[in-house]
Amino acid sequence: QITLKESGPTLVKPTQTLTLTCTFSGFSLSTSGVGVGWIRQPPGKALEWLALIYWDDDKRYSPSLKSRLTITKDTSKNQVVLTMTNMDPVDTATYYCALNRDPGIYRYWGQGTLVTVSS
Amino acid sequence: DIQMTQSPSTLSASVGDRVTITCRASQSISSWLAWYQQKPGKAPKLLIYKASSLESGVPSRFSGSGSGTEFTLTISSLQPDDFATYYCQQYNSYSGTFGPGTKVDIK
Repeated sequence: QITLKESGPTLVKPTQTLTLTCTFSGFSLSTSGVGVGWIRQPPGKALEWLALIYWDDDKRYSPSLKSRLTITKDTSKNQVVLTMTNMDPVDTATYYCALNRDPGIYRYWGQGTLVTVSS
Repeated sequence: DIQMTQSPSTLSASVGDRVTITCRASQSISSWLAWYQQKPGKAPKLLIYKASSLESGVPSRFSGSGSGTEFTLTISSLQPDDFATYYCQQYNSYSGTFGPGTKVDIK
C-alpha cells in the first residue's frame, strides 16, 4: 500500500524559511523512474506544481519559484524535504507531496498540510 | 514555460447531463495530459492520463480526448458524486503545469 504524508509547521512568519517533509511508504525512491513531487494550493485557488526529485537525484523546479525552492531526499528514511525561503502571505496554501512513478502523472497523493504565513 | 487554460471556469449542470470541459496548452504537448478531480478538503484524484487513458477504477462515464494543444474531458451522464473541480495537467515539459480548474456545480 502506497502512502505519503506531509509534515511541517502550520504557521510561519513572513521572511522565514519553510521546511516541509514528505514521509512515504510502499515504494522506494531508489527505484529507477520514481520521483516525488510537491504541489500547493492556496485556499480557494488552483493547484500549482512546485518541484520534483527523481530516484537519481535529478531535481526540477517551477521556473517562477526556482530561486526560493530546494528539494532533497533521504532514501534511507523514505523522506523528501522541500524548503522554501523568504515566505510571504501569498504562500499561504495547502502543500501536497505526490508520487511520480509513471512519468509526469501523480497517481498517489498525501493528505496535504495547510501552511499559513502571517506575522 | 507551458501555460494551461481551461474553459469554462464554472459549469452548472444537472444529474444526467453530458458535460464537456476544454483544456488548452500554450504549445503542443502531444498527448501528455492528465485530468484530475478534486473535492473540497481532499487531494486530487487522477481520472485520465495520456489524454485518453482511463485510470483504473474510474467510471467509464469519464472520457478524455485530444492531442497537441486542445483537449477535452467528457462526463457522459453526470452523477451526484461528480460535482467537483476538475484540473488538467500537462507533463510534456519537466514541470507539470496545472490548468486553473473547472468547477462543476449543481444547476
